[in-house]
Amino acid sequence: QLQLQESGPGLLKPSETLSLTCTVSGGFITSRGYYWGWIRQPPGKGLEWIGSIYYSGNTYYNPSLKSRVTISVDTSKNQFSLELNSVTAADTAVFYCARHGMLPNPIDSWGQGTLVTVSS
Amino acid sequence: DIQMTQSPSTLSASVGDRVTITCRASQYISTFLAWYQQKPGTAPKLLIYKASNLESGVPSRFSGSGSGTEFTLTISSLQPDDFATYYCQQYNNYSGVFGPGTKVDIK
Repeated sequence: QLQLQESGPGLLKPSETLSLTCTVSGGFITSRGYYWGWIRQPPGKGLEWIGSIYYSGNTYYNPSLKSRVTISVDTSKNQFSLELNSVTAADTAVFYCARHGMLPNPIDSWGQGTLVTVSS
Repeated sequence: DIQMTQSPSTLSASVGDRVTITCRASQYISTFLAWYQQKPGTAPKLLIYKASNLESGVPSRFSGSGSGTEFTLTISSLQPDDFATYYCQQYNNYSGVFGPGTKVDIK
């Protein structure tokens, strides 16, 4: 059974860079036809897709975040990562990693989520 | 950019009620729409994909319909486990925009 697990610091100061890693188990990140993505959810609010990556390195990002986001993949570790720079309090959220098929396909697997708080 | 709206934002219902949630897209998305259920403190769970296809393991009391820009999620007989927030998501393009959510709570 596919499992995704987020890891990374839970507390950041404004202007710092958020770095999270998603470790995939029970499957291979190199599986053809699947993208690996990040979604965030501010406390008490809705879901916002951040971006996704294919094992080859092909990425696409939410235009509203594109200037601050980098998603990368490490196939040797079966992991993919998120970097979001210049964070502010508005970036406080639960961050989920997830899997979806090539467009058009929905998200079919999610990590449990990790809360990242931005506070001075 | 495609925008997604949902109505109502909150719905109060009783066990056994038939519940309908509407999702609208600002542009044509064919049937590339998914519905997710989220309970507090947990990740969303896929219920319906391609507007009307039930994900494996999801109870048959859930159903979806629609195409183009207007979609509905129906729960035929609400069960205690169904009190949650429901989100639609379009996946017609790379923006993957979600609707704002509909919270179903106990009347």
